[in-house]
Amino acid sequence: DAKTTQPPSMDCAEGRAANLPCNHSTISGNEYVYWYRQIHSQGPQYIIHGLKNNETNEMASLIITEDRKSSTLILPHATLRDTAVYYCIVRVARSARQLTFGSGTQLTVLP
Amino acid sequence: DAGVIQSPRHEVTEMGQEVTLRCKPISGHDYLFWYRQTMMRGLELLIYFNNNVPIDDSGMPEDRFSAKMPNASFSTLKIQPSEPRDSAVYFCASSLNPASTDTQYFGPGTRLTVL
Repeated sequence: DAKTTQPPSMDCAEGRAANLPCNHSTISGNEYVYWYRQIHSQGPQYIIHGLKNNETNEMASLIITEDRKSSTLILPHATLRDTAVYYCIVRVARSARQLTFGSGTQLTVLP
Repeated sequence: DAGVIQSPRHEVTEMGQEVTLRCKPISGHDYLFWYRQTMMRGLELLIYFNNNVPIDDSGMPEDRFSAKMPNASFSTLKIQPSEPRDSAVYFCASSLNPASTDTQYFGPGTRLTVL
């Protein structure tokens, strides 16, 4: 799986959009970008994934650059409950292999 | 849906004792994963099963660790004998057949403290 780089921490004001970046310059053509998050003392939670097109679901939007070397997870209206560690993971889709978690980004949503 | 269920949620034991962690995956899921999380090493896979059969146990630290899945609705992770360095949060996760979707659903974890 390709290596990812994320900032260790970010702050965001409640109600504002949170934009979490991820660099994955060595991504292969058949690898997808996945995002999970881990709220304190809970298990990781799936958020979204995509290949090259932008994706949106009820939780977030995923913007992937045209060269696919970086992406941004967008939480459109962050709430205090979105405070968590966010993990960007690059892997082949529909693979039974494990998720390889890096150190992630600690997002703190401030009131 | 109750989600992935793990028990106990917290376990405190003394060095040398046997520890058994339990997991009930989401009904219908074909894959079950055991992860361990520590401050030093982050989240790392220990072992995973497909249709109750262990597929990859390369992450199991040593012979003190063993995992079983006697049926589709139950798995155990056993540590015998336990050591202080085994202190961590252990997560179980399950997923459907990846041919359809490979989202992994995690349980709440078991926080293990070995004194």
